[in-house]
Amino acid sequence: GDSVTQMEGPVTLSEEAFLTINCTYTATGYPSLFWYVQYPGEGLQLLLKATKADDKGSNKGFEATYRKETTSFHLEKGSVQVSDSAVYFCALSAYSGAGSYQLTFGKGTKLSVIP
Amino acid sequence: DAGVTQSPTHLIKTRGQQVTLRCSPKSGHDTVSWYQQALGQGPQFIFQYYEEEERQRGNFPDRFSGHQFPNYSSELNVNALLLGDSALYLCASSLASGVGSPLHFGNGTRLTVT
Repeated sequence: GDSVTQMEGPVTLSEEAFLTINCTYTATGYPSLFWYVQYPGEGLQLLLKATKADDKGSNKGFEATYRKETTSFHLEKGSVQVSDSAVYFCALSAYSGAGSYQLTFGKGTKLSVIP
Repeated sequence: DAGVTQSPTHLIKTRGQQVTLRCSPKSGHDTVSWYQQALGQGPQFIFQYYEEEERQRGNFPDRFSGHQFPNYSSELNVNALLLGDSALYLCASSLASGVGSPLHFGNGTRLTVT
């Protein structure tokens, strides 16, 4: 079945450091790929997405490129801020039958940014 | 524009009891999905509703059931609660989805089973 593997946390960085969170996937067909972010006590918010190979999703300084050859969708940001502290989830969306598409999530990576 | 709203925010139940969680989708959305998020884990797909029918189901037992109403709102019911059902239950809505349609999540209902 479909699966998503992302680097284990927690990750602790100083403010203005460079961030990479690795994500690889296994899927049949042609999935879309997403990064969601979860702030404490809240639900998940879409951060960025890419729907086909070589697409780059970007938002709020975060970027990720859909790499079909390496089945990866690594999240990067050049300079993190304290406000970026949250849990980040990599996810894929694939057709699951009966006209339905469902998200499969990784386990999440907790990021803490210290001043 | 209201996003996805869920109620209640927190709930404490005893083993063996039954619980109903509620969700109102984002305005304009017609598809509702439910996810279970155990502590420290990613969300796991429970099922999806579209046009008042369960369209797809994840690997959850029949104790988990749902309903979608004509106004697209939805309920998740869990019978015979187990301690392992303690989790954050997330509702997400979307338009009749294509593979690239993002889900919009509510803030969840935190269920504790004692």
